[in-house]
Amino acid sequence: GAVVSQHPSRVICKSGTSVKIECRSLDFQATTMFWYRQFPKQSLMLMATSNEGSKATYEQGVEKDKFLINHASLTLSTLTVTSAHPEDSSFYICSARATTGINYGYTFGSGTRLTVV
Amino acid sequence: GQQLNQSPQSMFIQEGEDVSMNCTSSSIFNTWLWYKQDPGEGPVLLIALYKAGELTSNGRLTAQFGITRKDSFLNISASIPSDVGIYFCAGRADSGTYKYIFGTGTRLKVLA
Repeated sequence: GAVVSQHPSRVICKSGTSVKIECRSLDFQATTMFWYRQFPKQSLMLMATSNEGSKATYEQGVEKDKFLINHASLTLSTLTVTSAHPEDSSFYICSARATTGINYGYTFGSGTRLTVV
Repeated sequence: GQQLNQSPQSMFIQEGEDVSMNCTSSSIFNTWLWYKQDPGEGPVLLIALYKAGELTSNGRLTAQFGITRKDSFLNISASIPSDVGIYFCAGRADSGTYKYIFGTGTRLKVLA
């Protein structure tokens, strides 16, 4: 149980375009999801907390207009990187928090590697 | 953003050896998690710790929540080649939020 699916796993886009990444909790409901960014050989840096039915909470230094987050249902959060530039190339990972049942805890998706050319 | 300090940064060990790594913070945490990340994948939870002094095992892995609540330790006994990967600690300071801060990671390489 407690599976989080992230899609796509890899994406290459042209500079100036937007990219949407989906994070789905497959077998549990998640009122809260988290989006992380990880540069090569570095740790995970929390970007924002996604709350179902309300606005996301962004960490200091993360541009909310650049990284749009939508959490419209209890099983889906999306991160849209708008007007992507090469410096946005990174590994983006989501995690979801299960609040009930045996799946209680935090589960990570398998990540999305974004390359902006 | 804030990070937890992990040591060592990386280590090479022989198969069969025991491994120890730790995570320290300047502030108090009330929950510690240990994750393993394989290349190109998301982290996978290994052990969760919720009380100061708590010692929890998961197979060959044992983790402890430090008494001061500012550190945590992870031990791997009798390492095997598939233990290769990056190990991250993650701590939660504020019980009013669900945010976790991740450590800088320990890269483990096991020599067969």
